[in-house]
Amino acid sequence: EVQLVESGGGLVQPGGSLRLSCAASGFTFSSYWMHWVRQAPGRGLVWVSRINSDGTSTSYADSVKGRFTISRDNAKNTVYLQMNSLRAEDTAVYYCARDDILTGTDYWGQGTLVTVSS
Amino acid sequence: EIVLTQSPATLSLSPGERATLSCRASQSVSSYLAWYQQKPGQAPRLLIYDASNRATGIPARFSGSGSGTDFTLTISSLEPEDFAVYYCQQRSNWLGTFGQGTKVEIK
Repeated sequence: EVQLVESGGGLVQPGGSLRLSCAASGFTFSSYWMHWVRQAPGRGLVWVSRINSDGTSTSYADSVKGRFTISRDNAKNTVYLQMNSLRAEDTAVYYCARDDILTGTDYWGQGTLVTVSS
Repeated sequence: EIVLTQSPATLSLSPGERATLSCRASQSVSSYLAWYQQKPGQAPRLLIYDASNRATGIPARFSGSGSGTDFTLTISSLEPEDFAVYYCQQRSNWLGTFGQGTKVEIK
């Protein structure tokens, strides 16, 4: 069974940093691209970042470019999102999702809440 | 940047009725368009990929159509569990833009 479990969320002050983790199981992690998607309270889904299967290629939404870094450790079956210079508008539930080459983002974790507030 | 516009924002229908949701792209995304369902407090669930293919385990009452810039998700006869928010997403480039969502609510 495919499972994605996010962790690392919490309360952080504006300007602070946080690293999210997403532990994957139930599939060959090193064969799949991975995404981070966020959802502010009461708002819609917003794509944040993606990383290819071996970690050599990444993309970011303009709103986080230069502040967030996606990475992965295929030996640990884990994808990360390092978030720096956090702003109030980064407050959201952050989901990691698996990307299947045929079907797209087919499995999602349950999300981890990041709150940026003083 | 490709912008996806969903309409209507809210659809008020009764169980058993047909739901038709629209997603329009600002430029062609070919057939690289997916639909997701999200219920409160839950992660999104993939319904349709590549415009018209049902994901594993999705009931036949869900169908998708379209290509290029205009896409439709149809729920042929609404079941009580179908009342939720629906999002479209494009993957024609690596910036996986979402639409703003359509809420299907009970009338």
